[in-house]
Amino acid sequence: DAKTTQPNSMESNEEEPVHLPCNHSTISGTDYIHWYRQLPSQGPEYVIHGLTSNVNNRMASLAIAEDRKSSTLILHRATLRDAAVYYCILRDGWTSYDKVIFGPGTSLSVIP
Amino acid sequence: GAGVSQSPSNKVTEKGKDVELRCDPISGHTALYWYRQSLGQGLEFLIYFQGNSAPDKSGLPSDRFSAERTGGSVSTLTIQRTQQEDSAVYLCASSFTGRQPQHFGDGTRLSIL
Repeated sequence: DAKTTQPNSMESNEEEPVHLPCNHSTISGTDYIHWYRQLPSQGPEYVIHGLTSNVNNRMASLAIAEDRKSSTLILHRATLRDAAVYYCILRDGWTSYDKVIFGPGTSLSVIP
Repeated sequence: GAGVSQSPSNKVTEKGKDVELRCDPISGHTALYWYRQSLGQGLEFLIYFQGNSAPDKSGLPSDRFSAERTGGSVSTLTIQRTQQEDSAVYLCASSFTGRQPQHFGDGTRLSIL
């Protein structure tokens, strides 16, 4: 599987923007970049995904580098509920199905 | 709308007993996955269903584990003769197709005494 690397932990102040980086230098042309997060004692939650262009949804924005070797998940205004472990993964867009395999992720702390 | 629902949310049982875990996926989702997550660990894939068929059972740890899906909807994961190492959170996820983002339930926390 193609790999991603993320910082182990980050901190943000409440109501400030958060930029969570992810490196994926071995990404292939058919790999989509997916982000999930997992709040304490809950199942993982899908956040956003993209292929080449930047993406926005109600939860976050995804900025993808032009060479696709890195991406950034942007939370525009962090709330206490955003404290979670954030996972960046690559999923092959050509396969009929794909397991979700998480690395260690980034543990985000939000300071009131 | 309703998300993925799993029951029970918690299950405590004695070693050697059988347990059944249930997953109700999002309506219309054809793909269904079972995973388990041990404390502080990542996700371990168990099985994938497309409709009622399970084309990938490669993650089932032993023949004590089995799963079925009926009517292209509800799935049941059964663990026979439970062992202490089976203690974990069992997560179910569904997606519209196998390639689409997966939506997870909150899991069943299984504790074997």
